[in-house]
Amino acid sequence: EAQVTQNPRYLITVTGKKLTVTCSQNMNHEYMSWYRQDPGLGLRQIYYSMNVEVTDKGDVPEGYKVSRKEKRNFPLILESPSPNQTSLYFCASSVLGLNNEQFFGPGTRLTVL
Amino acid sequence: QKEVEQDPGPLSVPEGAIVSLNCTYSNSAFQYFMWYRQYSRKGPELLMYTYSSGNKEDGRFTAQVDKSSKYISLFIRDSQPSDSATYLCAMRSGNQFYFGTGTSLTVIP
Repeated sequence: EAQVTQNPRYLITVTGKKLTVTCSQNMNHEYMSWYRQDPGLGLRQIYYSMNVEVTDKGDVPEGYKVSRKEKRNFPLILESPSPNQTSLYFCASSVLGLNNEQFFGPGTRLTVL
Repeated sequence: QKEVEQDPGPLSVPEGAIVSLNCTYSNSAFQYFMWYRQYSRKGPELLMYTYSSGNKEDGRFTAQVDKSSKYISLFIRDSQPSDSATYLCAMRSGNQFYFGTGTSLTVIP
């Protein structure tokens, strides 16, 4: 089954404790992206990657890091999480064809205390 | 000013009604326009896309883009309870995507 998986699905952590949210896709997509979704602010792009070893900042990259060492994986790293990073995070992948369809993962609910 | 503005609603309509959802944008560089549907506790799924001004129809759904006014719309005909979801407009500039805040729609049987 073609899908984007994220882990963990739910995470409660404390300020300053480094964490990684994993994202993996099995569709051989070149393009992968991370978003955060907040009430009243909608879905905002954090980072995206056009291919292995190619990453770029989105609209809200501060406080986040990413890496793309393999085509299928695109982990999101929070080196020192803060409460304002409490959010719902989505990973997505795409071939960026004419329809620009992005396939989204199920989401990761992160709470930083 | 946000790149993409969308009325968050909520919008509540009776079954069978015509629904109109809208977004405005400020960036003339946006080239591709999409509508995603997001059910509760799920990731968004692509519903419609277009890359030019005009109308595009797919079953009960019609997407409309007016680049001169920087305005896009999604119309849902004969709305069904299963259409109850949050609808997000999305736009692409280069390799970046910008989403609206989403409009929450409830279709009452």
